[in-house]
Amino acid sequence: QVQLKESGPGLVQPSQTLSLTCTVSGFSLTSNSVHWVRQPPGKGLEWVGAIWSGGSTDYNSALKSRLSISRDTSKSQVFLKMNSLQTEDTAIYFCTRPMGITRGWFAYWGQGTLVTVSS
Amino acid sequence: DTVLTQSPALAVSPGERVSISCRASEGVNSYMHWYQQKPGQQPKLLIYKASNLASGVPARFSGSGSGTDFTLTIDPVEADDTATYFCQQSWNDPYTFGAGTKLELK
Repeated sequence: QVQLKESGPGLVQPSQTLSLTCTVSGFSLTSNSVHWVRQPPGKGLEWVGAIWSGGSTDYNSALKSRLSISRDTSKSQVFLKMNSLQTEDTAIYFCTRPMGITRGWFAYWGQGTLVTVSS
Repeated sequence: DTVLTQSPALAVSPGERVSISCRASEGVNSYMHWYQQKPGQQPKLLIYKASNLASGVPARFSGSGSGTDFTLTIDPVEADDTATYFCQQSWNDPYTFGAGTKLELK
């Protein structure tokens, strides 16, 4: 079955770089896109970015200058790197796989990983 | 970016019918989707493309609308439906979510 699982440091100091990994199973990264969505504690959901089946990427314009998404298809892993972290980046980060080739809906979600930006 | 506007909170009694609205700042065709999120959990897909019931979701949930105005209806509401409901559009880039409607049971 389709599964996604996020992993990461939990605590990051301000101005440092966040590195998260999404490990997937039950599907191929070369046939499906993976997106990142984040949720500040007690707040709503924000689309962060995506890596498409062909390897191209799209990013939230508000985060684009600080964000990079990549993948290792041999390990079924997707990576998110965000630099210059601030307290406003404190959030639960989810990786999610949509249904539908384009303009898809998020049918599968990881459990999320809480990232706290604090000194 | 496409802004999705939802009412912040609703309170209903079990057995009643509730409608949760989502208005888009620009047209999204039928590419509006609905999610349920309970505290400490990831969002769960309920409805995709405005009116299609996701796999395993009870038929008490339904969706309607097109263009800019969409509605998620729960009929009848059950105690387990206490949650926050988010709409999300995937027609315009970037994908955006509504701020969520918190549903409480009386």
